[in-house]
Amino acid sequence: QQQVKQSPQSLIVQKGGISIINCAYENTAFDYFPWYQQFPGKGPALLIAIRPDVSEKKEGRFTISFNKSAKQFSLHIMDSQPGDSATYFCAASIGSSNTGKLIFGQGTTLQVKP
Amino acid sequence: KAGVTQTPRYLIKTRGQQVTLSCSPISGHRSVSWYQQTPGQGLQFLFEYFSETQRNKGNFPGRFSGRQFSNSRSEMNVSTLELGDSALYLCASSLGGGLGQPQHFGDGTRLSIL
Repeated sequence: QQQVKQSPQSLIVQKGGISIINCAYENTAFDYFPWYQQFPGKGPALLIAIRPDVSEKKEGRFTISFNKSAKQFSLHIMDSQPGDSATYFCAASIGSSNTGKLIFGQGTTLQVKP
Repeated sequence: KAGVTQTPRYLIKTRGQQVTLSCSPISGHRSVSWYQQTPGQGLQFLFEYFSETQRNKGNFPGRFSGRQFSNSRSEMNVSTLELGDSALYLCASSLGGGLGQPQHFGDGTRLSIL
């Protein structure tokens, strides 16, 4: 019940296209859902996050869509660029529990071809 | 504002030894969480400290321990190292006030066990 399932494992997109990564969870107590981007040799960097009282959140080219009833959320990268090539992780936590425990998905390696 | 700093960046140890990793959080952040990242298991939560107290612990053996100092800096210790402990160890800091405070990661310590 603590798992977060992420798909696909890898993704190849043409420059200018839309990259879509999906995550699903079981624990309905999760109330905070961040996405991280990680480049080789670097730590994960927070991209965007959402709480379940919102169905969509957009920051620049990055959008999170959240479906509370389906217990799913997804990251959309519009106008994908070669510089977006990285590994993306979704995560979930019980933010209201006042602890820092993030449960991560297994990651998606995105390659954007020029 | 300086980010999360982890030292050292790389470590090579042999089985049976012990190791201490250090993490300096972003100024003003009181929560420090530690994660282990491996290709097979992904990102897994080790433990979280807030105001020098461990608030949450993941499913790791007692060989993994940590502490936090009054200036919020944290150390993680692994005793009796095993080959399977080879991983990237990441720390993340946040304000720690609950309600899903964003966690910001350092670039990690790459630990290799020979």
